[in-house]
Amino acid sequence: QKEVEQNSGPLSVPEGAIASLNCTYSDRGSQSFFWYRQYSGKSPELIMSIYSNGDKEDGRFTAQLNKASQYVSLLIRDSQPSDSATYLCAVTGFIKLIFGTGTRLQVFP
Amino acid sequence: EAQVTQNPRYLITVTGKKLTVTCSQNMNHEYMSWYRQDPGLGLRQIYYSMNVEVTDKGDVPEGYKVSRKEKRNFPLILESPSPNQTSLYFCASSFGQGGTYEQYFGPGTRLTVT
Repeated sequence: QKEVEQNSGPLSVPEGAIASLNCTYSDRGSQSFFWYRQYSGKSPELIMSIYSNGDKEDGRFTAQLNKASQYVSLLIRDSQPSDSATYLCAVTGFIKLIFGTGTRLQVFP
Repeated sequence: EAQVTQNPRYLITVTGKKLTVTCSQNMNHEYMSWYRQDPGLGLRQIYYSMNVEVTDKGDVPEGYKVSRKEKRNFPLILESPSPNQTSLYFCASSFGQGGTYEQYFGPGTRLTVT
């Protein structure tokens, strides 16, 4: 079992819709959870961090964490074509940040 | 501007020719790390450093060396590059222990070894 799992996609949504990206992790001791956005050939860009159970909202983005289910998700409201990218989930316990392989999101006009 | 810089951005070299990829951050971060990214394998950690003179292996350290003589710099050294080290490399930095806090990435170095 991979330590951090994501569906590779592509996830295709129409412009203006809500995109829902999911991630599961195996280490119950994980403390910190991050979502990065990566455009093709570019570096990962941090868009959300979440540390406790529940929801965290930042603009069009909402991160959701459920430690009991070992599940973290990212919702993107009012999706735009510029949101088309690969979204990386990253999870850590202490020192090491472990990345999923990413979900490719395509937002079509 | 707070940033992580890497040089060179693109490099084509031949097997066995030693090379160094530099990484520098201006945010006074304690933690620095190197990753490689390959299709289907995601980001894998090569080495990390929790502070000056403190370095440790990540998941894929074979064939790489690092040093941390100054807080701001963390070069990646390939003493005898091989074609399987062809990859996209990222340097990252963060406050604290690196796992707890957000990591910020450099622009990447695309390395091709022929």
